[in-house]
Amino acid sequence: KNQVEQSPQSLIILEGKNCTLQCNYTVSPFSNLRWYKQDTGRGPVSLTIMTFSENTKSNGRYTATLDADTKQSSLHITASQLSDSASYICVVIFRYNNNDMRFGAGTRLTVKP
Amino acid sequence: KAGVTQTPRYLIKTRGQQVTLSCSPISGHRSVSWYQQTPGQGLQFLFEYFSETQRNKGNFPGRFSGRQFSNSRSEMNVSTLELGDSALYLCASSLGQEIGSPLHFGNGTRLTVT
Repeated sequence: KNQVEQSPQSLIILEGKNCTLQCNYTVSPFSNLRWYKQDTGRGPVSLTIMTFSENTKSNGRYTATLDADTKQSSLHITASQLSDSASYICVVIFRYNNNDMRFGAGTRLTVKP
Repeated sequence: KAGVTQTPRYLIKTRGQQVTLSCSPISGHRSVSWYQQTPGQGLQFLFEYFSETQRNKGNFPGRFSGRQFSNSRSEMNVSTLELGDSALYLCASSLGQEIGSPLHFGNGTRLTVT
């Protein structure tokens, strides 16, 4: 069983609407949780990095939240744009090893006009 | 500042051949890590190099190997290719000196094994 589970697997929304993507993890102990955006045919780009002591981090229209007690994170996208169409990947890093990462399978978001 | 550059962008090989992929990190970044991305398995960590030394290794067979040069550029080699090696291979660079160093990914090399 993957230690990082993302939901939904895919999502279609209309331009201008908000949406929330979920990430549940069992990785423990962890040092930080990251959200990446990956456009088709390109490498992932970092959106947010949160340490275990942070519970929210914003990057423009993207806001990530973290509940370390329930081991859940969410990525909220406000006022979606067509360019938000991409895969969003949640990554959890073990506390003692920066390269011991667990990747979620990603959520494929499609924003339609 | 130029981003992470991976070459070639696309590659087609046949089973049994070997392949070498190249990654040039962001200037000043000493850590380079490699990942395999497939639709079925998602992103998986292959290995990481820091100052020419392999610092961490994922759970891949010995057919997958890498190295890093003194200018931090890195190469990844896959020998005796199998059909299942078809994937997008991503490289990422970071300063690598502390937990939480952000990773900067290249756009990957799409390898197709026929």
